[in-house]
Amino acid sequence: GAVVSQHPSRVICKSGTSVKIECRSLDFQATTMFWYRQFPKQSLMLMATSNEGSKATYEQGVEKDKFLINHASLTLSTLTVTSAHPEDSSFYICSAGDLNYGYTFGSGTRLTVV
Amino acid sequence: AQSVAQPEDQVNVAEGNPLTVKCTYSVSGNPYLFWYVQYPNRGLQFLLKYITGDNLVKGSYGFEAEFNKSQTSFHLKKPSALVSDSALYFCAVRDINGGFKTIFGAGTRLFVKA
Repeated sequence: GAVVSQHPSRVICKSGTSVKIECRSLDFQATTMFWYRQFPKQSLMLMATSNEGSKATYEQGVEKDKFLINHASLTLSTLTVTSAHPEDSSFYICSAGDLNYGYTFGSGTRLTVV
Repeated sequence: AQSVAQPEDQVNVAEGNPLTVKCTYSVSGNPYLFWYVQYPNRGLQFLLKYITGDNLVKGSYGFEAEFNKSQTSFHLKKPSALVSDSALYFCAVRDINGGFKTIFGAGTRLFVKA
C-alpha cells in the first residue's frame, strides 16, 4: 500500500529560526501532495497544495512567504516554516495519494517554537 | 462551497455496544467521502471511503459507513465497540468537481468505556 513518510516527528526551535519538514512518498510517485495544520483539539486545515515542478497553491489566509513549499521531485515535498514564532506551534501533516484510492497521511510533525 | 459537518464533539459508548459517529456533507457535485481515525500525536489513518457503488461501505477494524444521498449523510458505524476504538474520528469529503482538495469535519472524539 501507499506509504507516506514525514520527518521529523517532533521539533523544537527558537523563535526567529526556520524549520524544514519533509514529506516523502515511499512506494509511489506523487505529483500532488497536501500540507495540513492541526491545532489542539481541532480539525485539519488545508494549508496548501504542493505540485511537483511548479508553485504551490496556498489556501486563503496562509502566508506563502512564511510557509515555503517545495516539491522538487515526484517523491518529496518540503514545508519550511520561516522565522518561526510561538503561534506557529502546531501539528503539521502531509498527505499524498490518488483521487480514486484515497490519500495516505504522514505521521505528522509536532512543531514547538520557544 | 463544499463542507462537512460532524454534529457531535464527543460520543460515549459502552464496550460491546454498537456505535455511530455522524457526518453530513455539502458538495456541488458527486462526493468522494472518507473516514479517518487519529490517535494522540499521530497522523491520520484511513478507515474507509465511498466513491460509487454500494451505499454500505466496509472498512478497516470492523467499521462501516452508509452513504445516504437524500440525507447527504455518511455516518460511521460499528456493531460492537472496543475500548481500543477510542480515538478522534474525522469525516472528509472531496468534491470531484472541485479539484483534489479534501475538506475535513471538525472531528468527533469517541470514548468507549469498559
